[in-house]
Amino acid sequence: AQSVTQLGSHVSVSEGALVLLRCNYSSSVPPYLFWYVQYPNQGLQLLLKYTSAATLVKGINGFEAEFKKSETSFHLTKPSAHMSDAAEYFCAVSVLGGSQGNLIFGKGTKLSVKP
Amino acid sequence: KAGVTQTPRYLIKTRGQQVTLSCSPISGHRSVSWYQQTPGQGLQFLFEYFSETQRNKGNFPGRFSGRQFSNSRSEMNVSTLELGDSALYLCASSSSGGVRETQYFGPGTRLLVL
Repeated sequence: AQSVTQLGSHVSVSEGALVLLRCNYSSSVPPYLFWYVQYPNQGLQLLLKYTSAATLVKGINGFEAEFKKSETSFHLTKPSAHMSDAAEYFCAVSVLGGSQGNLIFGKGTKLSVKP
Repeated sequence: KAGVTQTPRYLIKTRGQQVTLSCSPISGHRSVSWYQQTPGQGLQFLFEYFSETQRNKGNFPGRFSGRQFSNSRSEMNVSTLELGDSALYLCASSSSGGVRETQYFGPGTRLLVL
């Protein structure tokens, strides 16, 4: 069965510092992987997705993630944190391998950015 | 283009009651998915509808049901509410639910069961 593990429920960085949010997946078939962001009292917004094309995926707001099959990882990074990046981030894997309608989400990582 | 809208945004019910939540997808989108978000269980998939047919279903009891209308609007219903049903219910839409598409989420309906 597919699953997603996000290491660290809370991550705190200083403004301007590197952001690294970790995601490891388990999948018996080639996965499709996603990162979403949720701001307080809002729904989810797609940051980026891996769908078996390039392993380094660039998303919105300066975020990127690298798919590493050997490590079963899909970590999210951003070179320089902004205060506006403070939010909760979710990694997700597609179960069916072809449909985005049924996603399995990690527990989420809450990112705090200190001035 | 208007985003995904969900009504109502907030709802308070008591145990044993039933509730209906509504989701209007982005115009032209035919796939609508529903998720439940709670602090304990996180985000869990409920079901997906495409062209008025339930295409996928998560691991929830039969008290949770849904439907989709010909204009792609979707409703979900929870009968015999339990305290544990208190959650944020999110719906998401995309053109056809394909993995290469972007899925757009609504702001959610926050349900409190007393």
